[in-house]
Amino acid sequence: GQNIDQPTEMTATEGAIVQINCTYQTSGFNGLFWYQQHAGEAPTFLSYNVLDGLEEKGRFSSFLSRSKGYSYLLLKELQMKDSASYFCAVRDRPNRDDKIIFGKGTRLHILP
Amino acid sequence: GAVVSQHPSRVICKSGTSVKIECRSLDFQATTMFWYRQFPKKSLMLMATSNEGSKATYEQGVEKDKFLINHASLTLSTLTVTSAHPEDSSFYICSARDPGVDYEQYFGPGTRLTVT
Repeated sequence: GQNIDQPTEMTATEGAIVQINCTYQTSGFNGLFWYQQHAGEAPTFLSYNVLDGLEEKGRFSSFLSRSKGYSYLLLKELQMKDSASYFCAVRDRPNRDDKIIFGKGTRLHILP
Repeated sequence: GAVVSQHPSRVICKSGTSVKIECRSLDFQATTMFWYRQFPKKSLMLMATSNEGSKATYEQGVEKDKFLINHASLTLSTLTVTSAHPEDSSFYICSARDPGVDYEQYFGPGTRLTVT
């Protein structure tokens, strides 16, 4: 079975830091993505982790622990434009069939 | 980065009619494309994996006779919603994998389908 959990909604203040957690249980694992999606638009790629540890890219960082089935996305110096939905997605590779399974998403609200 | 287009961006159709949505990879050849459906404020649900030159692989619960997928070339996959009903109204998004890049999928801008 496949299960990806992340909080439904979060609220943070402009200029602050927020961490969005994700836990997963999948039959296969070949990497974890974080995507950002603004309302009415397609998802945009933020990060990809396949090995344990922290990947930093500007204001965004993503962490992975494969043994714990855990990841987080860290957003620093929050801006109003960061108000969006953030999806944790796992690259699941059962039976050599490579596809991405999305979590339910976290709606992040940024307050001025 | 790589570009994937979808056409149309929005479509309104009457119940019982069929609608075709195109997904094109503009600057790379995509042997594999994916079709997702997303209801308002919900997650992206994978519908099917489209492989060039072969039959699509559908996810459990997705009716292959209702959602026809054709991947006739390395740059084009089409999704046809047959005999559309109001409950098929949704945001349909395709993505394509560039074989030259190990992990990333490139998403199209999506198609908003409204069935009246």
